[in-house]
Amino acid sequence: EPEVTQTPSHQVTQMGQEVILRCVPISNHLYFYWYRQILGQKVEFLVSFYNNEISEKSEIFDDQFSVERPDGSNFTLKIRSTKLEDSAMYFCASDGGLNTGELFFGEGSRLTVL
Amino acid sequence: ILNVEQSPQSLHVQEGDSTNFTCSFPSSNFYALHWYRWETAKSPEALFVMTLNGDEKKKGRISATLNTKEGYSYLYIKGSQPEDSATYLCAFEAGGGADGLTFGKGTHLIIQP
Repeated sequence: EPEVTQTPSHQVTQMGQEVILRCVPISNHLYFYWYRQILGQKVEFLVSFYNNEISEKSEIFDDQFSVERPDGSNFTLKIRSTKLEDSAMYFCASDGGLNTGELFFGEGSRLTVL
Repeated sequence: ILNVEQSPQSLHVQEGDSTNFTCSFPSSNFYALHWYRWETAKSPEALFVMTLNGDEKKKGRISATLNTKEGYSYLYIKGSQPEDSATYLCAFEAGGGADGLTFGKGTHLIIQP
């Protein structure tokens, strides 16, 4: 069964460092998303991406965050200068936009900022 | 592996009809059950976070119930409208939230005029 894969599964970084989280969505999918969940809190939407551009973003997704799909395969989330409060589980998701009703999530990347 | 199941996978409903669908989840180590409404390419909307057995929550025409002892939640939509067409996701949160959310695959609801 096709799946969304994310790497790394866990990353520990120092505050102020840049982090790139990678996602490989399902190959024929059209819409891509990043979510995050801070420990003990609700899943929060970060950004949606379609047709090589951001279609919607939340207030969380400030100038420290960026996304791109550099090679038509990977979908990356970059945090330029990490803060302690960026520690969270980051989930990538994709869907085909074909009314299949199936949303595919990766297993998440846990980011720990020290 | 936590098992969160939603049924049906997809559902076609006539405009004006009421409908409901189910989320089942582990009955142990329960912390919270989340429902999300998700329209393609838009930001998902958090509908409810339910924590107590017997919880009933309502938001407009949408309501949800929670049974943590038997591990299920129902989402109800009364008088369906075209704008209700979306995928409805539930997500199980285990105690302490240490493992994040385990999502169901969603119920894709299509309201037919």
